[in-house]
Amino acid sequence: NAGVMQNPRHLVRRRGQEARLRCSPMKGHSHVYWYRQLPEEGLKFMVYLQKENIIDESGMPKERFSAEFPKEGPSILRIQQVVRGDSAAYFCASSPRKETQYFGPGTRLLVL
Amino acid sequence: KQEVTQIPAALSVPEGENLVLNCSFTDSAIYNLQWFRQDPGKGLTSLLLIQSSQREQTSGRLNASLDKSSGRSTLYIAASQPGDSATYLCAVNPRAGNNRKLIWGLGTSLAVNP
Repeated sequence: NAGVMQNPRHLVRRRGQEARLRCSPMKGHSHVYWYRQLPEEGLKFMVYLQKENIIDESGMPKERFSAEFPKEGPSILRIQQVVRGDSAAYFCASSPRKETQYFGPGTRLLVL
Repeated sequence: KQEVTQIPAALSVPEGENLVLNCSFTDSAIYNLQWFRQDPGKGLTSLLLIQSSQREQTSGRLNASLDKSSGRSTLYIAASQPGDSATYLCAVNPRAGNNRKLIWGLGTSLAVNP
């Protein structure tokens, strides 16, 4: 059973471009969490999804950020019109129910 | 509101020392608490998970304890090695709400010197 996969591992974007971060949960896991780690700051919850549903997006910035977890395929975190302040490590975690979360390796986004 | 604090923020020790990292949380209503390791520029490695009903968990040279009533957990590292150098993160899984989103401390940056 492969672990949680995230891609790309590193992503460079210029200001104003779009960033798409993908997360493939472990097999059989229907719960996905996204966390963000800003430079010199702790990890912060962004959004919690189940298949086809956003359950809790209280940690998502109000604008430019969106997330989905379709019936088929990976969960996508989308950042439109990126700014330098979006540069961070974005971690995805999955769980089979609301149990232990298993983390992916993260995507490091750098906005130039 | 659940808050997680880790002390010290940074620690530098000579190889071979036994050391203790501290994590405190403000709301004792938790499902579990987890310790992670993060190497620079790398992902998160889960070290130990303690359920709310447990007092401690052990894995090799690592021992984590949980005192839920006082809102504290400690990570004990025995006979530290240079390879233990990393940032250690504590995360709480709170009962408040129903979504199990983890609340994180800022971490303790550990340097073990040969």
